[in-house]
Amino acid sequence: DGGITQSPKYLFRKEGQNVTLSCEQNLNHDAMYWYRQDPGQGLRLIYYSQIVNDFQKGDIAEGYSVSREKKESFPLTVTSAQKNPTAFYLCASTPRGRRNTEAFFGQGTRLTVV
Amino acid sequence: AQSVTQLDSQVPVFEEAPVELRCNYSSSVSVYLFWYVQYPNQGLQLLLKYLSGSTLVKGINGFEAEFNKSQTSFHLRKPSVHISDTAEYFCAVSDRGDMRFGAGTRLTVKP
Repeated sequence: DGGITQSPKYLFRKEGQNVTLSCEQNLNHDAMYWYRQDPGQGLRLIYYSQIVNDFQKGDIAEGYSVSREKKESFPLTVTSAQKNPTAFYLCASTPRGRRNTEAFFGQGTRLTVV
Repeated sequence: AQSVTQLDSQVPVFEEAPVELRCNYSSSVSVYLFWYVQYPNQGLQLLLKYLSGSTLVKGINGFEAEFNKSQTSFHLRKPSVHISDTAEYFCAVSDRGDMRFGAGTRLTVKP
């Protein structure tokens, strides 16, 4: 079945460490997104990519970095510059240029700083 | 950029009662509107979407929503809720290539 796979489901990070969250899709979608979810704040857009080797900052990109070397993969790195990284991270995808199509989501990664 | 406002952060209701979850958006151009549901520690699933045509949209699990252009609203309704409807619900708008979400409404259905 086609879908989006995020891994790991739970991730613990020590202060000062960088960590990378994986997102892979086999839907043949061009566009991929990373959202951060905090209680009471909904989903906030971190980065998105409409095509391979290109990506744009969302509303809260500071302290995060991404790459898009392959159509299927859009990993997110949470750097030590992100002061409050504990959150639930969701990856999503849509066909590029198709505003009338819903986003497909992964199951999320819960990141906790210890 | 467009924005989405969900007017209620929490909605408690009793089982078999009707429910309405409110959503307003700000955009002067044509938009596409969506409602998603999220169960604990999971991703989001699509409930329904408005693209064009009839302003009353029916979705899964007995939910429906009405698009009101003059009031820029897209409220979600269900005539009779079940315990299993307890979840977080998100309204979303798609405009120029990215999708923006509201802050979410936590629906709690009590027996």
